[in-house]
Amino acid sequence: EDKVVQSPLSLVVHEGDTVTLNCSYEVTNFRSLLWYKQEKKAPTFLFMLTSSGIEKKSGRLSSILDKKELSSILNITATQTGDSAIYLCAVDSNYQLIWGAGTKLIIKP
Amino acid sequence: NAGVTQTPKFQVLKTGQSMTLQCAQDMNHNSMYWYRQDPGMGLRLIYYSASEGTTDKGEVPNGYNVSRLNKREFSLRLESAAPSQTSVYFCASRWGTETYEQYFGPGTRLTVT
Repeated sequence: EDKVVQSPLSLVVHEGDTVTLNCSYEVTNFRSLLWYKQEKKAPTFLFMLTSSGIEKKSGRLSSILDKKELSSILNITATQTGDSAIYLCAVDSNYQLIWGAGTKLIIKP
Repeated sequence: NAGVTQTPKFQVLKTGQSMTLQCAQDMNHNSMYWYRQDPGMGLRLIYYSASEGTTDKGEVPNGYNVSRLNKREFSLRLESAAPSQTSVYFCASRWGTETYEQYFGPGTRLTVT
């Protein structure tokens, strides 16, 4: 059975800290791995990582795919209160996205 | 360009009632999806439509039906609502069936009493 596991489930840090969120997967037919940010409403797309694009960066956020370890990390540097959200990881397999349960990140001022 | 729209935003049903959640996208995407999201469980796929004219079951299809009315619209129907179907429902779309990001609608919060 395909599965995606995220850790930690929740994380509380202070503004300015750097955080690392983890996503590991076991799927039968890996195509890509996607990261989303969910605040109070719908998830919004952050990054997509594939075999041909294993590292992405946008501002303070960056992500790396480790195909050997079947995992990915999402780094956020110099965190701000606006980074508080649930971060979701999903893996594209057999025409569907398999979702992790998410990491709830709280940034304290 | 509205993206993905869903109606209604909120709904309260009594057990046994039926309703249809509507979803439309204006991005000319081929694939559309219905998810439910419950606390601590992430997103679970109910049904999806890889292209106009096709629909397939996802992880949790029981109690639901779908219709891909045309390329733009994908509706989700609850024939006889149950309290276990209390959830937030998201519709999503993407260009192809893989290696493209999904775009989400704003969600429908459904409560079944």
